[in-house]
Amino acid sequence: QSALTQPRSVSGSPGQSVTISCTGTSSDVGGYNYVSWYQQHPGKAPKLMIYDVTKRPSGVPDRFSGSKSGNTASLTISGLQAEDEADYYCCSYAGNYWVFGGGTKLTVL
Amino acid sequence: QVQLVESGGGVVQPGRSLRLSCAASGFIFRNYGMHWVRQAPGKGLEWVAVIWYDGSNKYYGDSVKGRFTISRDNSKNTLYLQMDSLRAEDTALYYCAREQIAARHFDYWGQGTLVTVSS
Repeated sequence: QSALTQPRSVSGSPGQSVTISCTGTSSDVGGYNYVSWYQQHPGKAPKLMIYDVTKRPSGVPDRFSGSKSGNTASLTISGLQAEDEADYYCCSYAGNYWVFGGGTKLTVL
Repeated sequence: QVQLVESGGGVVQPGRSLRLSCAASGFIFRNYGMHWVRQAPGKGLEWVAVIWYDGSNKYYGDSVKGRFTISRDNSKNTLYLQMDSLRAEDTALYYCAREQIAARHFDYWGQGTLVTVSS
């Protein structure tokens, strides 16, 4: 049950796009189409942004999109806005357990 | 609206026990799997445990296996986490989170309850 690997930080200017990667193994990310992404603002609970690799819950802007290739999943945020500044965590189902990434701090410059 | 409210956190000495609760409302509790996820101060999220909608299956993260027990009372719409043999590294904010059956993701989270293990 090793944590998924995410970059510690990414940044972008308003209006730009950023991509956050999430690397696992064939036992988690690569083995299932059950990658989800969570946004967490300081002092707040995590919020589901993407599930099943590419799907967006109702109410999540279509600026947020997900993808996967092999053992690496990615979250792309286009048209960056100030309110997107937060921590982002990927998570993968791994067969009766779940594993999170270490988290990525997104800074909107 | 969906609400998950955790309680039971506090300061506890190493080796002692604590039981957390998560009161659910706004949805049919017995139709959902439930999880505990924790976050150490300034750190990332760590999955702790899951219990199926009917309590028939439970699974744990390696770091808590054999020390923590997840349970639920569907008549009270409440999820529990019994934490025994607590260690300093169990210090964290503990969240409960909801999973639609076999969805494999967490669609609603509580606000968390803080557990501090210290002598």
